[in-house]
Amino acid sequence: SQQGEEDPQALSIQEGENATMNCSYKTSINNLQWYRQNSGRGLVHLILIRSNEREKHSGRLRVTLDTSKKSSSLLITASRAADTASYFCATDGDTPLVFGKGTRLSVIA
Amino acid sequence: NAGVTQTPKFQVLKTGQSMTLQCAQDMNHNSMYWYRQDPGMGLRLIYYSASEGTTDKGEVPNGYNVSRLNKREFSLRLESAAPSQTSVYFCASSEKWRIARNEQFFGPGTRLTVL
Repeated sequence: SQQGEEDPQALSIQEGENATMNCSYKTSINNLQWYRQNSGRGLVHLILIRSNEREKHSGRLRVTLDTSKKSSSLLITASRAADTASYFCATDGDTPLVFGKGTRLSVIA
Repeated sequence: NAGVTQTPKFQVLKTGQSMTLQCAQDMNHNSMYWYRQDPGMGLRLIYYSASEGTTDKGEVPNGYNVSRLNKREFSLRLESAAPSQTSVYFCASSEKWRIARNEQFFGPGTRLTVL
């Protein structure tokens, strides 16, 4: 399976701090995506990075991709209480999106 | 635009009962997906439909069947429910699998309990 695996499983930070989550995967990919899931809700797409890209920004989000290490990181800057959620990476290769188990982020006001 | 809708939102079944989970999207997407989410397991793909008229197995298809009724609708059927199928089920759609921008849009989920 090419399932991504997020690290850490859980992260607790103070409002205003930066949050970094990592994702590792096993096989070659076309792109890697990050999704957010608020408690009890469906997933929401955050950002997509293609296999030939190394870094991408969207608002307070910064994603990096290192295909040689088969890893990606998601940085959320200046976190807010509303960023409290689970974050999933998903890889897209020869099969439809394969999701990791997620990182639970708690931002304390 | 409603996006991706799922019915029902909650369901309780007894072991051996059958039911169909409904999913519809109004974004004119070609590809649709069914996932289940269990605590600590992330999302696992049950079945997907890359385009109207096609369906394929995902990672955990056993005990399920699907029907791509038309471009908008993709249903998931449990023929004989088992307690191991207690989960939250998500339907998703995307413009087209295997294109460069394949972000998926998710429905709100169906919480299924099998007693």
